[in-house]
Amino acid sequence: AQSVAQPEDQVNVAEGNPLTVKCTYSVSGNPYLFWYVQYPNRGLQFLLKYITGDNLVKGSYGFEAEFNKSQTSFHLKKPSALVSDSALYFCAVRDDTNAGKSTFGDGTTLTVKP
Amino acid sequence: NAGVTQTPKFQVLKTGQSMTLQCAQDMNHEYMSWYRQDPGMGLRLIHYSVGAGITDQGEVPNGYNVSRSTTEDFPLRLLSAAPSQTSVYFCASSYGLAGGSQFFGPGTRLTVL
Repeated sequence: AQSVAQPEDQVNVAEGNPLTVKCTYSVSGNPYLFWYVQYPNRGLQFLLKYITGDNLVKGSYGFEAEFNKSQTSFHLKKPSALVSDSALYFCAVRDDTNAGKSTFGDGTTLTVKP
Repeated sequence: NAGVTQTPKFQVLKTGQSMTLQCAQDMNHEYMSWYRQDPGMGLRLIHYSVGAGITDQGEVPNGYNVSRSTTEDFPLRLLSAAPSQTSVYFCASSYGLAGGSQFFGPGTRLTVL
């Protein structure tokens, strides 16, 4: 069985400061990891993904994430937060043994204060 | 491209009624999924499909049926609505690869009285 944990329900940062949203995962096979963002009353939008290769992946809006196989983590980061980054962030995983099935974490609400 | 479309956007049902949530995509994606989103519980997978004629259960399939007769359409049927099915429902699609990112529809907000 595959699972995703986002240990923080909420993350608060000041505008201009770096931000980190944490994610750990568990899969049987090789992991394919994703971050999605949801703005209020909207559907989810894709931010970035890790498939293979470089452990640091870059995505939309200046976000990046680091894949750490030994710690089974895929934390989302941004060097300088914006107020407009405030949203609900979801980490998701797929397993190459059942590629059609995605498992999402419970989500982390990011609030960036001016 | 319209992307992923869902209808209706809002629906109110009485306990015991049945209905179908519609989902369609025009990107020729092989994979499609249905999720429900409840406060504090993230997105939970209801059913998914890896191609026309192929469906499988997700984490919370009870009370829901799906079929996939075409690549484009993936309707979700509520057989006998219950208050516990009050939720926001999202449909998503992606290319037929484990690394394919999902495209989400705008959601259907369902209330069961």
